Amino acid sequence: GNSVTQMEGPVTLSEEAFLTINCTYTATGYPSLFWYVQYPGEGLQLLLKATKADDKGSNKGFEATYRKETTSFHLEKGSVQVSDSAVYFCALRNSGGGADGLTFGKGTHLIIQP
Amino acid sequence: EAGVVQSPRYKIIEKKQPVAFWCNPISGHNTLYWYRQNLGQGPELLIRYENEEAVDDSQLPKDRFSAERLKGVDSTLKIQPAELGDSAVYLCASSFAGQRNEQFFGPGTRLTVL
Repeated sequence: GNSVTQMEGPVTLSEEAFLTINCTYTATGYPSLFWYVQYPGEGLQLLLKATKADDKGSNKGFEATYRKETTSFHLEKGSVQVSDSAVYFCALRNSGGGADGLTFGKGTHLIIQP
Repeated sequence: EAGVVQSPRYKIIEKKQPVAFWCNPISGHNTLYWYRQNLGQGPELLIRYENEEAVDDSQLPKDRFSAERLKGVDSTLKIQPAELGDSAVYLCASSFAGQRNEQFFGPGTRLTVL
């Protein structure tokens, strides 16, 4: 079946530090990959996505590249801000066989200190 | 444009009591999803609707959970009777049928079963 594994948190960084949150997946076929973000007290928001191998998704300074050879979709940002503090979820969607929901990782809590 | 609306935002009940959650998706979105998010975990799909038809309910515990989407717009998820292990956040999401890579999530209903 499908599964997503992401690094456990909390991850605590200082403002302007470089961020990497690791995500690897297991799936049959060619899933689409996503990063969602959940800010305190808010719902899940789509941060970025990639639908095929070697695609790079980007948004708000965050980037992630779909690596089929390593089954990974690591999230990166060059310089984090306090406002980036949130929980980040890696997810995949594999529409093969009629299934269509998202499969999520457990989430990584990111804390940015000023 | 209004997002996905859910109510109530919080619900506390005693075990064995019934409970219902309501979701109003984004206008025009044919596809509606219910997810359950346990503490410290990522969301897990319970059921997916295409218009008024439940097309994927394989993860819905049918002995106590039920859902409906009359008229293909609003949806209700019910638990009867609730158990302690049902304490979680229940998330509703919606998308256009042809754009399932763009799922929009509501703020969720946090259920506590005592």
